Amino acid sequence: ELKVEQNPLFLSMQEGKNYTIYCNYSTTSDRLYWYRQDPGKSLESLFVLLSNGAVKQEGRLMASLDTKARLSTLHITAAVHDLSATYFCAVHDQAGTALIFGKGTTLSVSS
Amino acid sequence: NAGVTQTPKFQVLKTGQSMTLQCAQDMNHNSMYWYRQDPGMGLRLIYYSASEGTTDKGEVPNGYNVSRLNKREFSLRLESAAPSQTSVYFCASREGNLYGYTFGSGTRLTVV
Repeated sequence: ELKVEQNPLFLSMQEGKNYTIYCNYSTTSDRLYWYRQDPGKSLESLFVLLSNGAVKQEGRLMASLDTKARLSTLHITAAVHDLSATYFCAVHDQAGTALIFGKGTTLSVSS
Repeated sequence: NAGVTQTPKFQVLKTGQSMTLQCAQDMNHNSMYWYRQDPGMGLRLIYYSASEGTTDKGEVPNGYNVSRLNKREFSLRLESAAPSQTSVYFCASREGNLYGYTFGSGTRLTVV
């Protein structure tokens, strides 16, 4: 059974500090997706990581993919309040027909 | 605006009632999906349609049925609602198997 595990599930961050969240998966997927969800809202696409070693950056967020370790990281640089949200990673299932999501990591930034 | 449109946005049902959640996309995507989101559970796949005319079960299909009416529309039906089906339901679509999703805004369903 394909598993996608995120940790931590909750992260309380201080403004200005750096943090990393992790996404481990159990299949041999060569691409991985990160989504952001604000409270009461839908999911919006953040990053698509297409191959081993892929790195994508937008603003204070940087995502990377290590397909050999089956691990993706989402690094937050100098956290700000606007980053408070829930972040999901997802990979294709074995047949490639659907995305399987992790349980999400909820980030809360305080000053 | 182009995207995935879900109706209704909110719904309260009594146990045993039936209803259909509607989803339409205008991006000419082949594949469409229904997920449910529950606290602490992430998103779980209910049903999907890889292309017009096909539907398949996902992880949690019990108590649901779907119809891919045409390429644009993919509906989710609850024949006899149960409190365990209280959830937020998201419809999503994508161009093909190697692409990510575009999500609808969600339907918040409460079954009392």
